[in-house]
Amino acid sequence: NAGVTQTPKFQVLKTGQSMTLQCAQDMNHEYMSWYRQDPGMGLRLIHYSVGAGITDQGEVPNGYNVSRSTTEDFPLRLLSAAPSQTSVYFCASRDTVDYGYTFGSGTRLTVV
Amino acid sequence: GDSVTQMEGPVTLSEEAFLTINCTYTATGYPSLFWYVQYPGEGLQLLLKATKADDKGSNKGFEATYRKETTSFHLEKGSVQVSDSAVYFCALSDGKTSYDKVIFGPGTSLSVIP
Repeated sequence: NAGVTQTPKFQVLKTGQSMTLQCAQDMNHEYMSWYRQDPGMGLRLIHYSVGAGITDQGEVPNGYNVSRSTTEDFPLRLLSAAPSQTSVYFCASRDTVDYGYTFGSGTRLTVV
Repeated sequence: GDSVTQMEGPVTLSEEAFLTINCTYTATGYPSLFWYVQYPGEGLQLLLKATKADDKGSNKGFEATYRKETTSFHLEKGSVQVSDSAVYFCALSDGKTSYDKVIFGPGTSLSVIP
C-alpha cells in the first residue's frame, strides 16, 4: 500500500546511545518532515527536506541529524539519546503546498 | 509569527450530538487550512482542507469553511458517532516560503459516548 512507512514502532534506549529512525515513502513526494509529539506540546517540527540532498532545521533540531540521499528515504538520527527525547516521532510527506501531509504510524521512543 | 489556536478539550458528546471544534489562525498571507484526525495509537490523517477564502472542505460528514474575515476554520459534524472519538488538529500552511511550513494547533480530544 502506498504511504509512509516508519520503523521501528517502539524503541527503548539508554541515555547516551545512538539510533536511527527509518522513514520511507513511495509516493514520489518531494517534501518530507520529522515531527515529535509530546503531551501538551502538540507537534513540533524537528527537520525537513524539500528534495533529495536538501535538508533544513525545524524548531527543535538539537540532538538530531537527518539526511536525504534519495527521494524515498528520510532517516532521523539521534546522536546521543537523552531522557528529554522520550516522545512519539512522526515522519510525514506531501506533494505540494496545497496538499496535506501523509503521516507514518509513528515511533514511540523511550530513553531511560 | 503564524499560529493556530483551538478550543481546549477534552470534549465529550453523546452519540448523534452536533459537534463544533473552534479553530482560529493568525497569518500574514493567504494560508491553506487543514483539519487532521488522530485515532489512538495512530499517525495523523488528513480529514479535510481548504485553500482559499470561502472554500468549504468536507469529508466523512465533517465540514469546515475558510472564513478570512474572522480568520477561522471551525470543524462541524451534524451527528457524531462513537467511531469519531479521536484527537483533531487544525493546521495551516502559510504559502510564503519555498518549503511552506505547516503549523499545527495543539489538538482537541473528542470522546463520543453511546
